[in-house]
Amino acid sequence: AQSVSQHNHHVILSEAASLELGCNYSYGGTVNLFWYVQYPGQHLQLLLKYFSGDPLVKGIKGFEAEFIKSKFSFNLRKPSVQWSDTAEYFCAVNPTGTASKLTFGTGTRLQVTL
Amino acid sequence: GAGVSQSPSNKVTEKGKDVELRCDPISGHTALYWYRQRLGQGLEFLIYFQGNSAPDKSGLPSDRFSAERTGESVSTLTIQRTQQEDSAVYLCASSLDRGREQFFGPGTRLTVL
Repeated sequence: AQSVSQHNHHVILSEAASLELGCNYSYGGTVNLFWYVQYPGQHLQLLLKYFSGDPLVKGIKGFEAEFIKSKFSFNLRKPSVQWSDTAEYFCAVNPTGTASKLTFGTGTRLQVTL
Repeated sequence: GAGVSQSPSNKVTEKGKDVELRCDPISGHTALYWYRQRLGQGLEFLIYFQGNSAPDKSGLPSDRFSAERTGESVSTLTIQRTQQEDSAVYLCASSLDRGREQFFGPGTRLTVL
């Protein structure tokens, strides 16, 4: 069965700092990869997704993620965070061509200070 | 358009009672999923419906859990004889088709006393 690891459980950054959140998955086949964000008091929203093609994907609000197949990684990045990026971030994966339930990581809580 | 809606938003129940949670997917979405998020943990898959196919129930933690979906519309998740460990946020998601991105509802926070 596939699994997803998010190594950073809680990250605290000052505004304008750069962000990188790690995500590694274990699965031998082809996968779709996702980052979801949950802002305080709101429901999960899709931040960005990778199905195929260019391994560098751009999402909303200036976020991007790079799929590195050899490392089974899909790290999330943002060059300059804002206070409004304070949220919980979840990495998720599902194998392509099969039942498409998502396997989620445990999430990373990002706190951006002014 | 309208997103995924869930009701109730909060449910407090006593141990041993049955509860029913409801999900209204986005219109036209053929796939519907239920997940559970316990405090401090990631989302845990429970069950998946795709059109008229047999549901994938592989994530249901016990036979106290069941779910139904009528066609491509509303789904209900039922938990019988609730236990304290069932306390969690229950999330519903829908997608246009299997393998496509999933859109999540706001969740139902279940507290079992």
